[in-house]
Amino acid sequence: GQQLNQSPQSMFIQEGEDVSMNCTSSSIFNTWLWYKQDPGEGPVLLIALYKAGELTSNGRLTAQFGITRKDSFLNISASIPSDVGIYFCAGLGGADGLTFGKGTHLIIQP
Amino acid sequence: KAGVTQTPRYLIKTRGQQVTLSCSPISGHRSVSWYQQTPGQGLQFLFEYFSETQRNKGNFPGRFSGRQFSNSRSEMNVSTLELGDSALYLCASSWTTSGPNTLYYEQYFGPGTRLTVT
Repeated sequence: GQQLNQSPQSMFIQEGEDVSMNCTSSSIFNTWLWYKQDPGEGPVLLIALYKAGELTSNGRLTAQFGITRKDSFLNISASIPSDVGIYFCAGLGGADGLTFGKGTHLIIQP
Repeated sequence: KAGVTQTPRYLIKTRGQQVTLSCSPISGHRSVSWYQQTPGQGLQFLFEYFSETQRNKGNFPGRFSGRQFSNSRSEMNVSTLELGDSALYLCASSWTTSGPNTLYYEQYFGPGTRLTVT
């Protein structure tokens, strides 16, 4: 089946720093999605990317759909304590439904 | 509008038993997907239903099954439970619209059902 490699697995940063994480795949996806999951809750969709090369922002979040359609990155600028959580990338396409990365644990030190 | 609801939120079962989980999607959403989340395997796709028909299925054994009703509510069933079935089971409802030059995808996850098999 399809697999997504998400990195880094975890990040320890200072409040106010910028964050960058990415996902790569051996398969092409038609749509890339980025989610955040807080403890005890389901993932929340942050950004959806529909076209290769597309760059989309949602507040302090910016994500891009790679030109090859096999990768995507998510940037968070000027991190704040409520950004703490697990961020997942996911690819949509084919018969496997959504394929998720393993997640990036973001920990912010005040 | 009301969010995705899942019942029950927590469940403890014994090996060999069966379990049925329920999901009520966002009003107007006709697609419901189910996912299993474990620390080791992460989020894995189980199946997707659209208008009462299974549209996609993940790589899970036949003990995992589901269905969708005419009001879009969905249930998933796991028979002959195993210890490894302990997980958070998440339901998501989604809505997609597309045209010649546009695509829009809306999706919301429920809070999940935490299943513990002993």
